[in-house]
Order: sequence, then C-alpha cells, then structure tokens
Amino acid sequence: KNQVEQSPQSLIILEGKNCTLQCNYTVSPFSNLRWYKQDTGRGPVSLTIMTFSENTKSNGRYTATLDADTKQSSLHITASQLSDSASYICVVRGDYEKLTFGTGTRLTIIP
Amino acid sequence: GAGVSQSPSNKVTEKGKDVELRCDPISGHTALYWYRQSLGQGLEFLIYFQGNSAPDKSGLPSDRFSAERTGGSVSTLTIQRTQQEDSAVYLCASRSAGVQETQYFGPGTRLLVL
Repeated sequence: KNQVEQSPQSLIILEGKNCTLQCNYTVSPFSNLRWYKQDTGRGPVSLTIMTFSENTKSNGRYTATLDADTKQSSLHITASQLSDSASYICVVRGDYEKLTFGTGTRLTIIP
Repeated sequence: GAGVSQSPSNKVTEKGKDVELRCDPISGHTALYWYRQSLGQGLEFLIYFQGNSAPDKSGLPSDRFSAERTGGSVSTLTIQRTQQEDSAVYLCASRSAGVQETQYFGPGTRLLVL
C-alpha cells in the first residue's frame, strides 16, 4: 500500500532557528515528490518539486532533499520566521494521477 | 490574478440533509480535483476531472458523494444524506496540462454535520 509518513507530527521552535522536517514514503512507482505549505484556513501551496534524478531543491529559505534509494525526503527551513508557522505536507506522485499525501507536520514558530 | 475559489467557505448542516459545494478553478486549467481533509488526517483524494474524459471517481467514499464539472470549468461536489463523519474540509485543486504541473488549491469549504 502506498504510504507517506511524516515526522515529527508537530514542532515548536524559536524564531530565527533552523529546523528539518522528515518524510518517508513507500509509493511505487515514483514520479515526483512535493512539499506543500498549508497556512491555517487556507489550501496547500507548493514549495518544491523533485523528480527521481534530483536530490536537492531550494526555494528561498526552504531546502528540500530527496534520497530515492531510501525513499526519504527532508525539508530544511533556515532562519525561521513567524510566517513559517503552518502545516507542511509531503506529497508523492506515483503513476497516473495518484497522489499520496502525508498527514503533515504542524510547525509553530514562537518569538 | 484569480486563483481557485470555493464556496461556501463554511457550511453547517443537519444530518440527513444534502449539501452542494462549489469550485471555480483557475481559468484555462484542464484538470480539477476534489480532496477531503479530516482533522489530523492527510488529504484524501475524492475525484479527478481531466478535460472531456470520464472522471476518475475511485476516491469517492460512498454513493452519497457525486461531482460534476460543467463546461469544463466550474465543478460541484454533492453529498446526499450527510452523516456526521462527512464533517471535514473539502479542498478543490486545478492544474494546467501536464501531470507534472503544480496543483493550485482553493481555500476549502469547511463542512460541519450536526
């Protein structure tokens, strides 16, 4: 069964600190992996997308990594800001149109 | 520019009533998806429309759920005889042609069935 597991479930850090969110997946075949940011009361917004051949992708203070051999991805947030408080969702595309969503990591940045 | 819009933003209904949720995708986007997000759960795929092709309904949880997309644009998700377990956020997303293209999500409709 295709699954995407994220950890930690929730995380609280001080403003300005760095953090890393984890995503492990068992989706096969693999097409691509995206990280989404979902602010409270909003729909998810795509941050990064990586295909099989890519192992790092950056978007500003967000850097995603992918290890297709171990089926693991991480999202690193540098110099966190209060506006980074949100849920971060890992989404893996298999074949056709099937997306498998993780349950997300709820990140809270405190001043 | 206009993004994906959904209405209503919130809906409270009594158990057993029917509800209709509306999605206006980004103009020109050929693909449209409906998802359900329950508290503490990941997004659950419901249905997918692509152009004039027959929709992929494999995610609909029961025959009380149905959706249509008129004129290749606006979509309506209908839940008949609502149950309390239907309470969730219903998200709509659209994307342009190409399966690698980004899905753009609407703000969702928060449905509460009492």
